[in-house]
Amino acid sequence: EVQLVESGGGLVQPGGSLRLSCVVSGFTFSSHWMSWVRQAPGKGLEWVANIDQNGNEKYYVDSMKGRFTISRDNAKNSVYLQMNSLRVEDTAVYYCAKYSGYDLDYWGQGTLVTVSS
Amino acid sequence: QSALTQPRSVSGSPGQSVAISCTGTSSDVGGYNYVSWYQQHPGKAPKLMIYDVSKRPSGVPDRFSGSKSGNTASLTISGLQAEDEADYYCCSYAGNPYVFGTGTKVTVL
Repeated sequence: EVQLVESGGGLVQPGGSLRLSCVVSGFTFSSHWMSWVRQAPGKGLEWVANIDQNGNEKYYVDSMKGRFTISRDNAKNSVYLQMNSLRVEDTAVYYCAKYSGYDLDYWGQGTLVTVSS
Repeated sequence: QSALTQPRSVSGSPGQSVAISCTGTSSDVGGYNYVSWYQQHPGKAPKLMIYDVSKRPSGVPDRFSGSKSGNTASLTISGLQAEDEADYYCCSYAGNPYVFGTGTKVTVL
């Protein structure tokens, strides 16, 4: 059974940092691109970033370039999202998801990040 | 990287058909045959319903179908059922990054 479990969310002050983790099981992690997608409260889905199988190619939505960094550790079946200089508008549920081709076929349950003073 | 445009809401009675449009540009929807559709029930993670414009993953009922014409993709739900009431999002490859649609709430009357 494919499982993706996010962790690391919580309450952080504006300007602070958080590192999200996503541990996966049930598939060959090192063979798949991975992605982070977020959803602000009551809002739609927003693609954040993705990373290739080896961690060599990384892409970000423009509004997060320079503040967010995606990485992975294939030995630990994990993908990460380092978030710096957090803003109130970064408050959202953050999902990690697995690529199959050009679509996201499995998603985690999400972790809530709240940026507030 | 503007979000793809979807209607805010559509509704239909059980057994009817509804269609959701997803309008982008030649840089995303119109430029690639990589449009996917996701269903999201309240408080749940999204679920893949359609990929590569019109393909259905294993386990997705065949009442869900997808198509594309030019810069607009569409998701059609035929024979609407109560459990289809949810939010639906399109997503298109745009040469990295990807872009999601604004989302559509489907209501079963």
